[in-house]
Amino acid sequence: KQEVTQIPAALSVPEGENLVLNCSFTDSAIYNLQWFRQDPGKGLTSLLLIQSSQREQTSGRLNASLDKSSGRSTLYIAASQPGDSATYLCAVENDYKLSFGAGTTVTVRA
Amino acid sequence: DAGVIQSPRHEVTEMGQEVTLRCKPISGHNSLFWYRQTMMRGLELLIYFNNNVPIDDSGMPEDRFSAKMPNASFSTLKIQPSEPRDSAVYFCASSLLGGTGELFFGEGSRLTVL
Repeated sequence: KQEVTQIPAALSVPEGENLVLNCSFTDSAIYNLQWFRQDPGKGLTSLLLIQSSQREQTSGRLNASLDKSSGRSTLYIAASQPGDSATYLCAVENDYKLSFGAGTTVTVRA
Repeated sequence: DAGVIQSPRHEVTEMGQEVTLRCKPISGHNSLFWYRQTMMRGLELLIYFNNNVPIDDSGMPEDRFSAKMPNASFSTLKIQPSEPRDSAVYFCASSLLGGTGELFFGEGSRLTVL
C-alpha cells in the first residue's frame, strides 16, 4: 500500500523567504505526482503535475522536483507572499488511485 | 467550464437520517472520484468511476454507503442510515483518463451528523 509522508506538518515564515516542502512515498511505481493547494473550507486546487518520466515542473514562482527512485518530491515556492498561506498536499498516482499526504500547513507572515 | 459542482455545500442532519450528496463533473471528463476528508484520516478515496461504471469501491466504509453514476454528468453518494462518525467533508473530483491525469476537485460537501 502506498504511503505518502509530508514534512514538516506546519511551517511559518516571514514574507519574502523561500519555501521548501517535502514529500516522500514508499512505492516508486507511480504514474504521476501532483501538488495541491487547499485553503480553509475549500476544495483542492492542482498546482503542478509531474509525470513519472519527468524530473521537474515549473509554474511561476513554483517549482516541483521528482526523484522517483528515491521516492521523493520537493515543492519550492520562491519569494513567499501572505497569499501563499494555505495547506499544500502531495499526491501520487498508482494506476488510477491517488494517495495523499497529510499536508503541510504554511503561514507566511507579513 | 464551471468546474466540478457539488451540492449541498453544508448538510446538518440527525443520526439515522438518509443523506444524499450530489456531484456534476467537468464536461468531457470520464473519471469520477469520491473522497472523504477528516482531520484524523486525511483524504480517503471512497469510490472511483470510469465511464460511469464503478471500478473500485473498496474504500466505501460499509454497506450504509452507496454511490451511483447514472450518466456522465451526474453522480450521487448516499449514506443511509447516517451516523455521527460519518461527519466529514466529502469531495468529488474528476479527470480525463488518458489525459495528463490532473485531478479537479469540487468545493466539497461538509456533513455534520448529530
